[in-house]
Amino acid sequence: ETGVTQSPTHLIKTRGQQVTLRCSSQSGHNTVSWYQQALGQGPQFIFQYYREEENGRGNFPPRFSGLQFPNYSSELNVNALELDDSALYLCASSPTSALTYEQYFGPGTRLTVT
Amino acid sequence: SQKIEQNSEALNIQEGKTATLTCNYTNYSPAYLQWYRQDPGRGPVFLLLIRENEKEKRKERLKVTFDTTLKQSLFHITASQPADSATYLCALDIMNNNAGNMLTFGGGTRLMVKP
Repeated sequence: ETGVTQSPTHLIKTRGQQVTLRCSSQSGHNTVSWYQQALGQGPQFIFQYYREEENGRGNFPPRFSGLQFPNYSSELNVNALELDDSALYLCASSPTSALTYEQYFGPGTRLTVT
Repeated sequence: SQKIEQNSEALNIQEGKTATLTCNYTNYSPAYLQWYRQDPGRGPVFLLLIRENEKEKRKERLKVTFDTTLKQSLFHITASQPADSATYLCALDIMNNNAGNMLTFGGGTRLMVKP
């Protein structure tokens, strides 16, 4: 088990609503990345936060936004939810923003949009 | 466009045999490649990282090769056990048009080891 925790574990929302997912990094890690994983597929990079600043972003629309706090915990916010947003959302922390380091993943939040 | 391919069909093998999983990529030259294991309903767990100047890397029963000419990585589990049953993901650093590099995952291959 990694030291990365995520909340909530499961969530059901209605199309058009907004959702906030939370992640607590492993101790000593200053970088958090968020991924979306649809059923049967690999994780897709949403964005990365390093020392409270967005440090890179994948091909996701602006309604996906995030925050990183001084204690390096992080939030993922999704506005105007769509049915296709239903997925497992994973956060991963690492001790540096360099991707040559392994990513420590949390257990994920399963989001269902109806 | 850049593409990472893993066999989407499950790999079924007998306990004690060697499992070999493939990761192919196109249109990119990654500096390194990572392999992760993912169990159902859980986050991926890091297994091995191999750099472009390394041909092979080992860790206990695991072995990874990286052929930058063929644009392929092979992941081997020797003396496989039922507990090795999981989905295995490869991931590469790929230049992100929006900023810097990002870790890009293949679709994963499910391994089933039968007793």
